[in-house]
Amino acid sequence: DAGVTQSPTHLIKTRGQQVTLRCSPISGHKSVSWYQQVLGQGPQFIFQYYEKEERGRGNFPDRFSARQFPNYSSELNVNALLLGDSALYLCASSVTVLDTQYFGPGTRLTVL
Amino acid sequence: SQQGEEDPQALSIQEGENATMNCSYKTSINNLQWYRQNSGRGLVHLILIRSNEREKHSGRLRVTLDTSKKSSSLLITASRAADTASYFCATDASGSGGTSYGKLTFGQGTILTVHP
Repeated sequence: DAGVTQSPTHLIKTRGQQVTLRCSPISGHKSVSWYQQVLGQGPQFIFQYYEKEERGRGNFPDRFSARQFPNYSSELNVNALLLGDSALYLCASSVTVLDTQYFGPGTRLTVL
Repeated sequence: SQQGEEDPQALSIQEGENATMNCSYKTSINNLQWYRQNSGRGLVHLILIRSNEREKHSGRLRVTLDTSKKSSSLLITASRAADTASYFCATDASGSGGTSYGKLTFGQGTILTVHP
C-alpha cells in the first residue's frame, strides 16, 4: 500500500504570498493532521481533521487554514507568508483521531 | 511549545554498541510514541507505549515508560550505521484538560550518529 503522499516536495515563495500544500492519506485512513517543523526543532501540531471536520487546532495564527475533502485528502493554506513560515510541513494520517499517525515525506517551504 | 525534552541532544557511538535516549514530559498522557527522522525528511513511527504499559519491545528497540516520573527511554541494541538519524518522542494527551484530539507534542529530538 502507498504511504502518505504530499505535494509539492519543495516550494519557494516570497513574503506576503499565499501557499497551498496538499496531502493524500493512506488508503482507509480518515484522519489527517498537519505539523510544522522548523529547522532544528521537533514538529509542532497545526491541525487535525477527521471526517472533513476540524477536530484539533494548535497555536497557530488565523493565516493558517486547512480543509479535508470527501476522499479524505487535505489541503493546508497559509496566507500572507512571513519569513518565519519557512519550514518543513508534515502531513500525517491515521485511521481515526486516536490511532497511530503515519507521516508523509513533507513539503519544504522557503519564504524569501 | 514543546512538552517533551530528549536527552542527550546528540549521541555518537560505534556500530554494535547500544544507544539509549531519554524523554521527559510534563502532563498526563494517553500514550507516548517514538519516531525516527532521516535528514529532515518524513518521520517513521517506531513504537507506541500506552500509559498503562511499562515496557515494550520491537526488534532491536526497547521502550520503557515511567508515568510517575513522566519519563521514557528508548534503547536501540546492537546499533548499525543505518540507525543514524534524529529520534523524537511524542506524547498524546488527547482530550486531557481540553487538549485537542490528535495532537502529538514532540520534543526537540536526539541526533544519533552511529560510526561504522
